Amino acid sequence: ETGVTQSPTHLIKTRGQQVTLRCSSQSGHNTVSWYQQALGQGPQFIFQYYREEENGRGNFPPRFSGLQFPNYSSELNVNALELDDSALYLCASSLQGANGYTFGSGTRLTVV
Amino acid sequence: AQSVTQLDSQVPVFEEAPVELRCNYSSSVSVYLFWYVQYPNQGLQLLLKYLSGSTLVKGINGFEAEFNKSQTSFHLRKPSVHISDTAEYFCAVSETLGGGNKLTFGTGTQLKVEL
Repeated sequence: ETGVTQSPTHLIKTRGQQVTLRCSSQSGHNTVSWYQQALGQGPQFIFQYYREEENGRGNFPPRFSGLQFPNYSSELNVNALELDDSALYLCASSLQGANGYTFGSGTRLTVV
Repeated sequence: AQSVTQLDSQVPVFEEAPVELRCNYSSSVSVYLFWYVQYPNQGLQLLLKYLSGSTLVKGINGFEAEFNKSQTSFHLRKPSVHISDTAEYFCAVSETLGGGNKLTFGTGTQLKVEL
């Protein structure tokens, strides 16, 4: 079975720009969650998608948005980038209602 | 909301020595607990998880953890560490979210294994 893949692996953006990060879920998983991990911190929950709808959200502003597609893959979009958005963004797939999560290797976003 | 506290930000240990990484959680309901490992510039890899049943959970790479409800702890242990165990370790608790779940992580413990 394939794991979770994220693209791109690294990205540099300028403050004020917009960015889209992508995630392909593990085969058999129907739920995708996104986490932000700032340097030296634990991952923080951004939001979760199930059946192409947002299924819960952490303490992140509306400029963080997402999509889930019929094949369960997902995108994370961040508008009006700020310097503090620099972080490792992790995608995790799971089966709805189960407690098993598979994480991707992440996208390292640097905002300058 | 649930929370997780990892009491040690860094733990240095010599190779082949035992190690314990501490984790405490706050929850008034049933909990599901996890330990993840993160190597530099990589994502999170699941070491082990407690969902129910035996309070002693065995995971990969020789790690184990014990769920202690009365002390609200889920400490991670390994009887003999190897240089390759040097990494960041995260404790996490699963929290109900709508019809699904989300993970709340601790701030991590950096395990540094020295020769």
